[in-house]
Amino acid sequence: EVQLVESGGGLVQPGGSLRLSCAASGFTFSSYEMNWVRQAPGKGLEWVSYISSTGATIYYADSVKGRFTISRDNAKNSLYLQMNSLRAEDTAVYYCARKYYYDSSGSYFDYWGQGTLVTVSS
Amino acid sequence: SYVLTQPPSVSVAPGQTARITCGGNNIGSKSVHWYQQKPGQAPVLVVYDDTDRPSGIPERFSGSTSGNTATLTISRVEAGDEADYYCQVWDSSSDHVVFGGGTKLTVL
Repeated sequence: EVQLVESGGGLVQPGGSLRLSCAASGFTFSSYEMNWVRQAPGKGLEWVSYISSTGATIYYADSVKGRFTISRDNAKNSLYLQMNSLRAEDTAVYYCARKYYYDSSGSYFDYWGQGTLVTVSS
Repeated sequence: SYVLTQPPSVSVAPGQTARITCGGNNIGSKSVHWYQQKPGQAPVLVVYDDTDRPSGIPERFSGSTSGNTATLTISRVEAGDEADYYCQVWDSSSDHVVFGGGTKLTVL
């Protein structure tokens, strides 16, 4: 059974840092591209970042570029999100999501974790 | 950056048909995916590649595109369909995933 379990969320002051982790199991983690998606309280989904299966290709949403760093450790079946210079508007539930290709170019998020809450407040 | 526009809310009586739209420039040239999210839960894919259904999703859920609008149609709506629905595309010009703002479906 595919499982994605996020951890590392919590309360942090503005300007602070936090590192999120996503532990993957039930599939060959090193074969899949992964993403982080967040959802502010009462708001919609916002894509945050993408990483290729090897880690060679990375993309970020404009709202986090330069402050967040996505990474992965395929030996540990884990995905990470290092979040620096945190702002109140970064307050959200952060989900890791697996990218699944249904054809040569089309893909969607087929498995999501349950999310971890990050609260940025003084 | 690419923008997807959804109505904030749609209301429908049980047994009727709900239609949730997702507008975007030349959206017909992109593959549109739809997710259902119930309170406190992670999103679940209900339609992918404009019109296809993942296994386990009822046939009552269908998708279509026309012009600059993609539509998720839920036939014979049930109380359990009450949820937030999000459309999503990949914007190749920016290498960004884009979500619509979400639509809250209320079953009256």
